[in-house]
Amino acid sequence: DIQMTQSPSSLSASVGDRVTITCRASQGISNYLAWYQQKPGKVPKILIYAASTLQSGVPSRFSGSGSGTDFTLTISSLQPEDVATYYCQKYNSAPRTFGQGTKVEIK
Amino acid sequence: EVQLVQSGAEVRKPGESLKISCKGSGYSFTSYWIGWVRQMPGKGLEWMGIIDPADSDTRYSPSFQGQVTISADKSISTAYLQWSRLKASDTAMYYCATNVLPDQNWFDPWGQGTLVTVSS
Repeated sequence: DIQMTQSPSSLSASVGDRVTITCRASQGISNYLAWYQQKPGKVPKILIYAASTLQSGVPSRFSGSGSGTDFTLTISSLQPEDVATYYCQKYNSAPRTFGQGTKVEIK
Repeated sequence: EVQLVQSGAEVRKPGESLKISCKGSGYSFTSYWIGWVRQMPGKGLEWMGIIDPADSDTRYSPSFQGQVTISADKSISTAYLQWSRLKASDTAMYYCATNVLPDQNWFDPWGQGTLVTVSS
């Protein structure tokens, strides 16, 4: 089965900073990659699908890129409300594995 | 509005059985796969498996194969996750999720989650 590896596992950045999270698939998955945001005590929320398509209603400071095995989620200007854990997920075939998550905090 | 509503929190003892539910509304329940996701306390999301409610075709993660059973009753638009013998390590929040866009397999919407606590 394909493994999904995120890095870093956690990060601390200042408000306004550019933040980048990486997700690597152990085999190519084309662009079948989604990113989710989960705030403490809340249900996960879809941010990006098809590697780079922003879900309706998601702020434009979020963006995604990549294809094949290497993917990136970028927050162009970190805001206090972005404190959360972010997960990537492959969905080209079962098992639709999640990455282990990246916890984002404000410095 | 597309909605998944899960059953309430459960407390069980090790060795007991349990079946939790996820009721879909606002869409054609038999047209889209429903999945289950585990989140252990303080841990990440784990994809458990998915079911096609139309014919009950089911796919499991190797980590959960044989540990749980996923089923669905299309007559009442409800999917289930069940255990025959719970363990303390099954303590977690369990989410169901689906996607009602054609040929899209990422998850949106999600249910509100069901907290399962297994303790003697």
